[in-house]
Parts: sequence; structure tokens; C-alpha cells
Amino acid sequence: QKEVEQNSGPLSVPEGAIASLNCTYSDRGSQSFFWYRQYSGKSPELIMFIYSNGDKEDGRFTAQLNKASQYVSLLIRDSQPSDSATYLCAVKTSYDKVIFGPGTSLSVIP
Amino acid sequence: DTGVSQNPRHKITKRGQNVTFRCDPISEHNRLYWYRQTLGQGPEFLTYFQNEAQLEKSRLLSDRFSAERPKGSFSTLEIQRTEQGDSAMYLCASSLAGRGRETQYFGPGTRLLVL
Repeated sequence: QKEVEQNSGPLSVPEGAIASLNCTYSDRGSQSFFWYRQYSGKSPELIMFIYSNGDKEDGRFTAQLNKASQYVSLLIRDSQPSDSATYLCAVKTSYDKVIFGPGTSLSVIP
Repeated sequence: DTGVSQNPRHKITKRGQNVTFRCDPISEHNRLYWYRQTLGQGPEFLTYFQNEAQLEKSRLLSDRFSAERPKGSFSTLEIQRTEQGDSAMYLCASSLAGRGRETQYFGPGTRLLVL
């Protein structure tokens, strides 16, 4: 089992729709969870981080964490073409190392 | 502070040559990570430092790879006897490690092509 898994892409949504990105992790003791956005040829940039169970909202982005299910998600409301990118889920594990998932490619169709 | 910087941004080398990359982290950050990323994949952990101490090196990393952070500031990643399979983007990230909370900030990466 891989340490961090993400739903396979590519994911296509129409402009204005909600994009839902999912991530599961294997280390039950993981402490912190991050979502990064990566445009083609660029380095990852942080969008959201979440530490506690529940929802965290920042503008059009909402991160959801369920530690019992070892699941974290990212919702993007009112998707824009500029949101088209690869979204990386990252987890700080109980052994104090940050591990990335393989990423989900999102395409927002105008 | 200008963020994390990496040099060079691009490197083309011939198989069998040695290459060295440099990373300058955000000044107050005590942790520094190296990742490797190939097309369509997420960043793959290589190694990380807390101050000058190398805390872990990936089991997937061969002995041809070595990293240093001699004074707890900048870091270098050296690849000896490069192979075509080493072609990838090498990313550096820095963070301020705290109790359970650690946000990484990435540099622009060094893209390596081994011919």
C-alpha cells in the first residue's frame, strides 16, 4: 500500500462547477495535511493546510479532513480555467516526514 | 526574504559525469528537503535535514547520490556517474519544523537531462 494515494485523473469539470479531489493516507498517526497546486513545468505551491478534523475554508477552496477514515479532500468551488493544474496531496507522517501523493490532474473546460 | 532558490535551473550532462545542485532555503527555516519528480508523478522523497543533520535518506536512493548541509544553511545534492534514469526535476523545499505543523516552501527546481 502506498503511503499517500489520490484519485486517478485526469479530472475534467466545466467552468463554474465544483471540483472534488480526494486523498487517502496509510499512517494513522499522521499529523498535518497539505494541498499543493502545480502548474506544468513549475514547482508546487501551497494552497491549503489542515490539522484538525472537519472543514477549513479559504476563498473558493475547502479542505476536509477525516482522520478516522484517513481521508482528506479538496473542493474547488466556481472552478476557473486558471485552476487547471495538478493537485498534490501531502501528509506529514508520524515519523516526521512529509510524503506526497502522485497528484491529480484537473482540467477546467471553459 | 526572496524564498527558496536553486541553482542551476537547468543542467544537461553526459552519462557518467558528476553533477552538483545547490539549494538556498528561506533563512530562518531549519528543515530542508530534497525531492525528485518525473513527468506525471508527485515529488519523490530523497532526503532531508534538520539544521546540519541529515535525518533520513530514501532507501530508493543509490550510493551515487549524496547530500550535505554543512552549516545548516544551504545544501548541495551531488549525483555521481549520472545515468539516463536520473533525468528528472530535482526540487528543494524548506520549512520551519514545529510541533505537528510544518509547511514546506519549494524552490523553482533544477531540471536535469542526462544524455
